[in-house]
Amino acid sequence: DTAVSQTPKYLVTQMGNDKSIKCEQNLGHDTMYWYKQDSKKFLKIMFSYNNKELIINETVPNRFSPKSPDKAHLNLHINSLELGDSAVYFCASSLDRGNTDTQYFGPGTRLTVL
Amino acid sequence: GNSVTQMEGPVTLSEEAFLTINCTYTATGYPSLFWYVQYPGEGLQLLLKATKADDKGSNKGFEATYRKETTSFHLEKGSVQVSDSAVYFCALSVRPSKIIFGSGTRLSIRP
Repeated sequence: DTAVSQTPKYLVTQMGNDKSIKCEQNLGHDTMYWYKQDSKKFLKIMFSYNNKELIINETVPNRFSPKSPDKAHLNLHINSLELGDSAVYFCASSLDRGNTDTQYFGPGTRLTVL
Repeated sequence: GNSVTQMEGPVTLSEEAFLTINCTYTATGYPSLFWYVQYPGEGLQLLLKATKADDKGSNKGFEATYRKETTSFHLEKGSVQVSDSAVYFCALSVRPSKIIFGSGTRLSIRP
């Protein structure tokens, strides 16, 4: 069973469109995250949720809106897609939000904006 | 601010060679330190971690020691294999829920 899963794996779309990426974890973790990895492999946190509550929002444009319907799911909706949004987006989860907690990553969603 | 600096890649070695990937950090407070590995086409996975000074993390033949005096957490392995080819990320966490990653080091092992 996959611990952290994301759909879709690949997403190709036109500028200006709206798209969503879904994430689910079956680890029973309380905290979930979204990261963006650019073409040079640089990885930066975007959002973090603990028990469905937003706890980190790293100055991400408000075109990006995370939604956590329950502890096991954290979806990412992106409005008015721009070329610069092209990247690999990773979802992750951890047992709690302590700074010693291991984060478990999904396989990533490669978003290409044309 | 908090940051991680790791050696630039790519690093190319022959099988059975000794590996060192340097990592230094800047942090306020007492960070936890991590090495994550990303195999081609996959997400990151934890390789090892250390949560206080002088702790040694180890896994799959890799080791790293948390050195507060030199603010370093260098990754080492005595004999690398082709299957170790991947991108390696050094990371720290000071604030709950937030990990700061280094820029990654691509490692390629020749048979």
